[in-house]
Amino acid sequence: DAKTTQPPSMDCAEGRAANLPCNHSTISGNEYVYWYRQIHSQGPQYIIHGLKNNETNEMASLIITEDRKSSTLILPHATLRDTAVYYCIVRVALGSSNTGKLIFGQGTTLQVKP
Amino acid sequence: DTEVTQTPKHLVMGMTNKKSLKCEQHMGHRAMYWYKQKAKKPPELMFVYSYEKLSINESVPSRFSPECPNSSLLNLHLHALQPEDSALYLCASSQDPGYAQPQHFGDGTRLSIL
Repeated sequence: DAKTTQPPSMDCAEGRAANLPCNHSTISGNEYVYWYRQIHSQGPQYIIHGLKNNETNEMASLIITEDRKSSTLILPHATLRDTAVYYCIVRVALGSSNTGKLIFGQGTTLQVKP
Repeated sequence: DTEVTQTPKHLVMGMTNKKSLKCEQHMGHRAMYWYKQKAKKPPELMFVYSYEKLSINESVPSRFSPECPNSSLLNLHLHALQPEDSALYLCASSQDPGYAQPQHFGDGTRLSIL
């Protein structure tokens, strides 16, 4: 079962910041938070990931609360091409191995409007 | 553009056919993955290859047979599939199987079983 909770849908005006929330209250200390998005008919696209600290790259920023129970993905200037399903994923270790398993939840459908 | 290439993009096959899906990456990644995605559902992990050895099988039926001929290639051999196996099959790769490494996805093979 997915370890994250996201709103099913959100709207954002083009050019404005899109803030996508995610709850992961049962996250363990060594589990990373990953964000992916999937545009229709394409494979999931990696956006960003983090453990404890806030992270920023050319696509987005990831803000993780101090208790790590929730996070927010920020797209600073949303465009129409950012319309997609956004998945927040807590990557869990599989068994005793170091292999990280991505368990996708239902995600948030972000609609960017003109 | 994705750096994980999957062929074919579309495949239609009968229940008695044998076919194979192919995945290729040239990023030097040592972990490769197969996921299955049904319509309007999130992707679900099927198999993990780590350093060319099968490390994880998520209780996938034997009519799906993965193969990793070398570090750049991953195949999924299909035999005697059922109509409910119709789905988008996604391949992904990561630098290593550890959960600190992001997975990068191809755009998938859309499979239809008649």
